[in-house]
Amino acid sequence: NAGVTQTPKFQVLKTGQSMTLQCAQDMNHNSMYWYRQDPGMGLRLIYYSASEGTTDKGEVPNGYNVSRLNKREFSLRLESAAPSQTSVYFCASSRQGMNTEAFFGQGTRLTVV
Amino acid sequence: QKEVEQNSGPLSVPEGAIASLNCTYSDRGSQSFFWYRQYSGKSPELIMSIYSNGDKEDGRFTAQLNKASQYVSLLIRDSQPSDSATYLCAVNAGDYKLSFGAGTTVTVRA
Repeated sequence: NAGVTQTPKFQVLKTGQSMTLQCAQDMNHNSMYWYRQDPGMGLRLIYYSASEGTTDKGEVPNGYNVSRLNKREFSLRLESAAPSQTSVYFCASSRQGMNTEAFFGQGTRLTVV
Repeated sequence: QKEVEQNSGPLSVPEGAIASLNCTYSDRGSQSFFWYRQYSGKSPELIMSIYSNGDKEDGRFTAQLNKASQYVSLLIRDSQPSDSATYLCAVNAGDYKLSFGAGTTVTVRA
């Protein structure tokens, strides 16, 4: 049982390049999330998808786009990477909303140079 | 003011001692409170959830909630070296939003 799987685990981008972070869960969860984690800042919500077919902005959405491809998959796209987007990105899922336990993927460490 | 604040740490405790972690939150309407543990280089994992005032115990962990004081805490009894990690306090900020504190790093000395 894989849980939440993110790819890639590590990535280095040049400023201005684009990339997509992939996330898939096999727990039949309705809600999925993208967070970024920076030193001293805790986890900050970028975007979330309450259920298949819906997406909404979180606390720090600027510079990102998301796609809820189906119930299992939720991708995060950086259209034009900036050094300020250097961070560790976590995908998470929960059965329904954040009042139920959230399970996190293993994270993607992204460096933008 | 940050929505969720934790004591900054790091917190160093001897093996077998009690580690006490504190968290305050600003949204008086919050209903759900969580403690996540994060080992270095790993993803957060849920260790405790609490929804009503009082204490909730699970093994060596006890979560305490006081909504009137907007305060939630985590006690780790009989601390073990394997408890060395960063502990994140999280508070719901809407049905689909969770606000996290910056975390408190705990080191258990053998």
